[in-house]
Amino acid sequence: GNSVTQMEGPVTLSEEAFLTINCTYTATGYPSLFWYVQYPGEGLQLLLKATKADDKGSNKGFEATYRKETTSFHLEKGSVQVSDSAVYFCALSSNTGNQFYFGTGTSLTVIP
Amino acid sequence: GAVVSQHPSRVICKSGTSVKIECRSLDFQATTMFWYRQFPKKSLMLMATSNEGSKATYEQGVEKDKFLINHASLTLSTLTVTSAHPEDSSFYICSARDKNNEKLFFGSGTQLSVL
Repeated sequence: GNSVTQMEGPVTLSEEAFLTINCTYTATGYPSLFWYVQYPGEGLQLLLKATKADDKGSNKGFEATYRKETTSFHLEKGSVQVSDSAVYFCALSSNTGNQFYFGTGTSLTVIP
Repeated sequence: GAVVSQHPSRVICKSGTSVKIECRSLDFQATTMFWYRQFPKKSLMLMATSNEGSKATYEQGVEKDKFLINHASLTLSTLTVTSAHPEDSSFYICSARDKNNEKLFFGSGTQLSVL
């Protein structure tokens, strides 16, 4: 079946530190992979996505590469800001696109 | 950008009562809406997929008679938790797929507490 395993938090970083949040998946077929972000008091928002192997999704300084050989989609950012404090969810959609599977979410707090 | 309005954001009810949660796409049409449940420290769990004008498809282990889903129009889906019990207390989130571009947008969630 399909599933997503995500690095547990919480993660606390100083401003301008390097961020990595690990995400691995199991899936049948060829899923699409996503990172969603939930800022305090808001709904989930799509941060970035990749639809096939070796694709790199990027947005707002975040990036993640779809690695089929390691079944991973790790989220990275070179220099985090206080405004990046949020909960980040890794997710996959089945190759039919009809179902989504989410990781447990990783809470990130960036301190000045 | 596209907005999905989910209401209410928080509800407290007595055991045995029913609670309805609404999910509306405000500026786009959604042929497909999804309902998720989030348990503390666990993954968002897909409960069911609803398609406008047809019966919802429930995931294994989700009681369809307990979690009634109606998707009567292209902009509205509702989830009714019937005869709620304390174990139904959870965070419920809906999402809607824009029929024009297939993008997925999420509601802000509903925190249900059953006393």
